[in-house]
Amino acid sequence: DTGVSQNPRHKITKRGQNVTFRCDPISEHNRLYWYRQTLGQGPEFLTYFQNEAQLEKSRLLSDRFSAERPKGSFSTLEIQRTEQGDSAMYLCASTTTLGFQNIQYFGAGTRLSVL
Amino acid sequence: SQKIEQNSEALNIQEGKTATLTCNYTNYSPAYLQWYRQDPGRGPVFLLLIRENEKEKRKERLKVTFDTTLKQSLFHITASQPADSATYLCAERAAGNKLTFGGGTRVLVKP
Repeated sequence: DTGVSQNPRHKITKRGQNVTFRCDPISEHNRLYWYRQTLGQGPEFLTYFQNEAQLEKSRLLSDRFSAERPKGSFSTLEIQRTEQGDSAMYLCASTTTLGFQNIQYFGAGTRLSVL
Repeated sequence: SQKIEQNSEALNIQEGKTATLTCNYTNYSPAYLQWYRQDPGRGPVFLLLIRENEKEKRKERLKVTFDTTLKQSLFHITASQPADSATYLCAERAAGNKLTFGGGTRVLVKP
């Protein structure tokens, strides 16, 4: 088990382009979370899945953002028509709902720069 | 709505001393507070969890306290080392286990 994996690590794009990020969670984890973090701030919750079902979306997640988790394994986060304000680190985390601690394990993130 | 607040000013401390970080919450008492460490360019790493009915939790050189009267959690690093230099994040675990983070406090331990 290599932990939570995110790809790519860095993405530079021009305003108006679409981008897609991928997250591979720890294999036995049924919950997967996406967060966004800007410089000097803590991560902010975007959305989460239990297995393949998307159970909650933050109001931060505008119509341009969509996330999927087909078959309850890896997840993708797509941003359409990127804006400069989308520049941030996008973090993925996974956990299991077994037990009470439900510790979230984070990936290293994808840093997005929109020019 | 609940806000988690941490001191945004960096904490500079001499090696061997105890670093104390503060996490305040503004509204209801969280059932769980978690502390994470984050190094530059990396994702947060879980350190400790404390429940609302626990006053104190320890792990090696780390200690967390939870004071529901003051609406505050304190995080202590004893006998600090340069390797402890990082940003430390406090988070409330809410419904669905989603985390609401504070802004983090950067700690710099000088040799």
